Amino acid sequence: GNSVTQMEGPVTLSEEAFLTINCTYTATGYPSLFWYVQYPGEGLQLLLKATKADDKGSNKGFEATYRKETTSFHLEKGSVQVSDSAVYFCALSGAGTGRRALTFGSGTRLQVQP
Amino acid sequence: GAGVSQSPSNKVTEKGKDVELRCDPISGHTALYWYRQSLGQGLEFLIYFQGNSAPDKSGLPSDRFSAERTGGSVSTLTIQRTQQEDSAVYLCASSQHYPRASGTATEAFFGQGTRLTVV
Repeated sequence: GNSVTQMEGPVTLSEEAFLTINCTYTATGYPSLFWYVQYPGEGLQLLLKATKADDKGSNKGFEATYRKETTSFHLEKGSVQVSDSAVYFCALSGAGTGRRALTFGSGTRLQVQP
Repeated sequence: GAGVSQSPSNKVTEKGKDVELRCDPISGHTALYWYRQSLGQGLEFLIYFQGNSAPDKSGLPSDRFSAERTGGSVSTLTIQRTQQEDSAVYLCASSQHYPRASGTATEAFFGQGTRLTVV
């Protein structure tokens, strides 16, 4: 079945540091890939997405590239801010015969210190 | 409304009681999802509705859990004979249509969730 594996947190960085949160997946067919973010006290919201191999999703300075050869969708940001502190979830939506609801990773908490 | 609405926002119930959680999806969205988020954990898939198709119930943890979606809109998640391990935040999401192999990536919009505490 479909599954998503994320690096465990918390990840603690200083402001303006480079961020990478690793995400790998297992899926049948050609899934779409997502990063969702949950800010403190708020609901989940979509951060970025990619629908096919080599696509790069980007938003708010964050980027992730759909790598089919390594089944990965790592999240990166060149310079984090305190306001980026949140929990980040990698997710996929199944294609073909796979489940069509979103499958989420366990989430990675990011703490950015001033 | 403008977004996915869930009610109640908080629910405290005694062990053994039944509870109903409600989700109002975004108007026109044909797909509706229920997830559960336990403290410090990721999102656990519960059930998925898509239009008039039979729901995908594969994530429901036991037969105490059930869900229905009336008229293709509002959904109710029911937990019978609640147990302490049912305590969690229950999240509902909706999307315009389900993702397809052609590469369509459909964004799911989440509600604020219902925090259920079983005492």
